[in-house]
Amino acid sequence: EDQVTQSPEALRLQEGESSSLNCSYTVSGLRGLFWYRQDPGKGPEFLFTLYSAGEEKEKERLKATLTKKESFLHITAPKPEDSATYLCAVRSSGGSNYKLTFGKGTLLTVNP
Amino acid sequence: GAVVSQHPSRVICKSGTSVKIECRSLDFQATTMFWYRQFPKQSLMLMATSNEGSKATYEQGVEKDKFLINHASLTLSTLTVTSAHPEDSSFYICSATRAGGYEQFFGPGTRLTVL
Repeated sequence: EDQVTQSPEALRLQEGESSSLNCSYTVSGLRGLFWYRQDPGKGPEFLFTLYSAGEEKEKERLKATLTKKESFLHITAPKPEDSATYLCAVRSSGGSNYKLTFGKGTLLTVNP
Repeated sequence: GAVVSQHPSRVICKSGTSVKIECRSLDFQATTMFWYRQFPKQSLMLMATSNEGSKATYEQGVEKDKFLINHASLTLSTLTVTSAHPEDSSFYICSATRAGGYEQFFGPGTRLTVL
């Protein structure tokens, strides 16, 4: 069974204070690791897909990296508008072809 | 591109009534659509996967007679919660994938409250 563990559960930063969120996973053959951002009361917004160890992707202040066991979402000089819950999900070769398994998320709060 | 809408965004109903939620892909054809529910401070739990023109595949523990899914076209899927009860109150979110892609694009969600 695929498992995704995100840490920390919550993170509070000051504006401009860079940090990283962690997503550890256990899958039977990774077919993609996905990062989403979710604002309160809204659906998740797609950020990145990573497919192989060593891959990196960037978007504005966010950078996602992937190893064989975990992924990091690095946030550089965050702003208050980056406050949200960040979700990590994996797709594996076991089970349904399109099914994603989600972690519980990291609630990020950036104070001005 | 890849915009998904849901309607309604919020619904309040009495126990025993049925509620229909629509999910539409606005600017692409969705080969596969998914329905999730999310409880406060919990992760998204997949309920079912549907492909246009075929029966939905339900996750273990999800009652298919209670949560009816119809994927009538490449841009529309509906979830009907039949005989809703207070324990069905939750945040229901749909998502869709484009042909040839695995990224799921999510709708804004529907908050269901059953009194």
